[in-house]
Amino acid sequence: DARVTQTPRDKVTEMGQEVTMRCQPILGHNTVFWYRQTMMQGLELLAYFRNRAPLDDSGMPKDRFSAEMPDATLATLKIQPSEPRDSAVYFCASALQYNSPLHFGNGTRLTVT
Amino acid sequence: DAKTTQPNSMESNEEEPVHLPCNHSTISGTDYIHWYRQLPSQGPEYVIHGLTSNVNNRMASLAIAEDRKSSTLILHRATLRDAAVYYCILRGVSGNTPLVFGKGTRLSVIA
Repeated sequence: DARVTQTPRDKVTEMGQEVTMRCQPILGHNTVFWYRQTMMQGLELLAYFRNRAPLDDSGMPKDRFSAEMPDATLATLKIQPSEPRDSAVYFCASALQYNSPLHFGNGTRLTVT
Repeated sequence: DAKTTQPNSMESNEEEPVHLPCNHSTISGTDYIHWYRQLPSQGPEYVIHGLTSNVNNRMASLAIAEDRKSSTLILHRATLRDAAVYYCILRGVSGNTPLVFGKGTRLSVIA
């Protein structure tokens, strides 16, 4: 089965450092989503793209988070500078079309100390 | 956004059917009912979705009330691998409406 691939699987970093999370969507999928999951807030939508163009990033803290799709095979989520409250599991998902079922990766577990 | 209400947790015995309820009294005519589940240490996984008619696939069945204000996800024979958090989500068919997750129901399966 085709899968969404996320790297790294785990990341531990110190407050103030830049963090980059990567996602390889399923080939041919034109919509990519970024979610964040914490115990307190559950799964929150951060941003999503269609055909590499950002559709909505209102869920992201703009001053420190940025999401891009340099090409159709790579989506990135950057945090600069990172803070302890950013500690969470970050999930990427892709879909064949906007209203198709989402396919999620296994996430990047970020710990900021 | 149309909301869904699910029990926080449910328990089932292995090899027995499980009925997971979801209430969505403010559903609109163009909202699809989606179900996803999240196994421990994994990302969410699509289970099934429907609009008005009952739906079946290899994973589960979805029973939708005639007035569409509630639905039930049916696992016909629970296995230990079905222990997960199950999310019932409404998603509009038109416009830029992303998938918004609630708290879900944590299903425990007892051997």
